[in-house]
Amino acid sequence: DAGITQSPRHKVTETGTPVTLRCHQTENHRYMYWYRQDPGHGLRLIHYSYGVKDTDKGEVSDGYSVSRSKTEDFLLTLESATSSQTSVYFCAIKSGITEAFFGQGTRLTVV
Amino acid sequence: DAKTTQPNSMESNEEEPVHLPCNHSTISGTDYIHWYRQLPSQGPEYVIHGLTSNVNNRMASLAIAEDRKSSTLILHRATLRDAAVYYCILRDKKTSYDKVIFGPGTSLSVIP
Repeated sequence: DAGITQSPRHKVTETGTPVTLRCHQTENHRYMYWYRQDPGHGLRLIHYSYGVKDTDKGEVSDGYSVSRSKTEDFLLTLESATSSQTSVYFCAIKSGITEAFFGQGTRLTVV
Repeated sequence: DAKTTQPNSMESNEEEPVHLPCNHSTISGTDYIHWYRQLPSQGPEYVIHGLTSNVNNRMASLAIAEDRKSSTLILHRATLRDAAVYYCILRDKKTSYDKVIFGPGTSLSVIP
C-alpha cells in the first residue's frame, strides 16, 4: 500500500447534514487530490492541494470545500449534503510528476 | 489541457496479448503519457508512463508512436485479474503541479 488511508470507508447521512471525509497519508507527499466517481461519469476531480493551506478547485467543486492544515491530512467537507453527492470518493497523493497513488475509496450515501 | 480518446470497451481472451489504444493528437512536447487502471471496487493504480521511447515494466509495455499522437498499452498475456478500466492520461512534465484529469477510459473484459 502507498500509505494512504481514507475514512470513513462507508457513510450514510441525511440530506442537509454536514459531512467530512478524511484522507491521511504517511508518505509526506506534497500533492493531494479528491475525486468522485459516478456511473457514466468516471473519475472527476473535486479539489486538490499543492501544499499546506494551498488548495484549488477541480472540475466539480460546487458544494464541496477542503482544508489542509497538515501535510498528512486532506479533508473534504460537504457543508450541506444533497442526494446528488451520493458517490464514491477517492483521495490520491503524489510527490511530483511521478505516479499518483489512490486510496480505497469512501462510499457516501445521502438519503 | 490536451485530451485523450480511448475506445469505450474491449474484449480479450485469457492468455492472449491485449493492445489498448489511446489517441492524443493535441499532445504537447512536454506531456508525459501515463496509464492507470482501476479494478472493480478499488481505487485506480498506476501502470506505466513514457515520454518518447517505448517503455516496459513488470505490468505492461507502452508503445508510443513516432509523432507521439497515439500510444498503445500492451498486456502481453491477459489474465482474468486484468479485467479493469484502463485510463490514458497526459501529464505535463514542466510542472508537478498538475490536476491529473481522467477521461472515461477503456473497460477491458477478459474471457476465460
